[in-house]
Amino acid sequence: SYVLTQSPSVSVAPGQTARITCEGNNIGSKSVQWYQQKPGRAPMMVIYHDSDRPSGIPERFSGSNSGNTAALTVTRVEVGDEADYTCQVWDTSTAEVVFGGGTKLTVL
Amino acid sequence: QVLLQESGPGLVKPSQTLSLTCTVSGASIGSGTYYWSWIRRPAGKGLEWIGRVYPSGSTNYNPSFQSRVTVSLDTSKNQFSLGLRSVTAADTAVYYCARQHYYGDTDYWGQGTLVTVPS
Repeated sequence: SYVLTQSPSVSVAPGQTARITCEGNNIGSKSVQWYQQKPGRAPMMVIYHDSDRPSGIPERFSGSNSGNTAALTVTRVEVGDEADYTCQVWDTSTAEVVFGGGTKLTVL
Repeated sequence: QVLLQESGPGLVKPSQTLSLTCTVSGASIGSGTYYWSWIRRPAGKGLEWIGRVYPSGSTNYNPSFQSRVTVSLDTSKNQFSLGLRSVTAADTAVYYCARQHYYGDTDYWGQGTLVTVPS
């Protein structure tokens, strides 16, 4: 089964840039999605197909994907960005949706 | 606007079957190119995909649940359902229904429903 690895936590000060990574074997060949989830809320997709933003997602959120690492970058971080961020791919070989373990973004 | 709403028992006894229904409005689950999916999140853990169903009725399942899960459609009610057999306390989680595209990009989610299996 395909495995996605994320660091458990990332901390940044307001106004700084947060980079959250998602590692997987040759993940650059897959389409990566990123979800934001705040306590008590359903997840919300913030990036799809590696770097596309759904309508309503600020330009401060961007994504990249190459080699064995995908990344979500949040610039000019705000207190309201504090949440869990989870990456996701489709594993064609096993026909399953795979989620990473999630990264908690703390805004200091 | 697509809306999804989970419904079902909040408490299920060990060894029994967890049954949830998702009612969809704003989209027809029997047509189109979307997948209708179930995802859960145990307390203190990450998101876990359970399985999904296509309008044709074809399904994909997480291998971890393959032997005890069923996801099905009821197009007459515009609902889809989850059945998870032989539950244990490890199945305690918030369960979400959602709409997915082929690569798993999930653009609409239900609000989630907590299901507890006592130990």
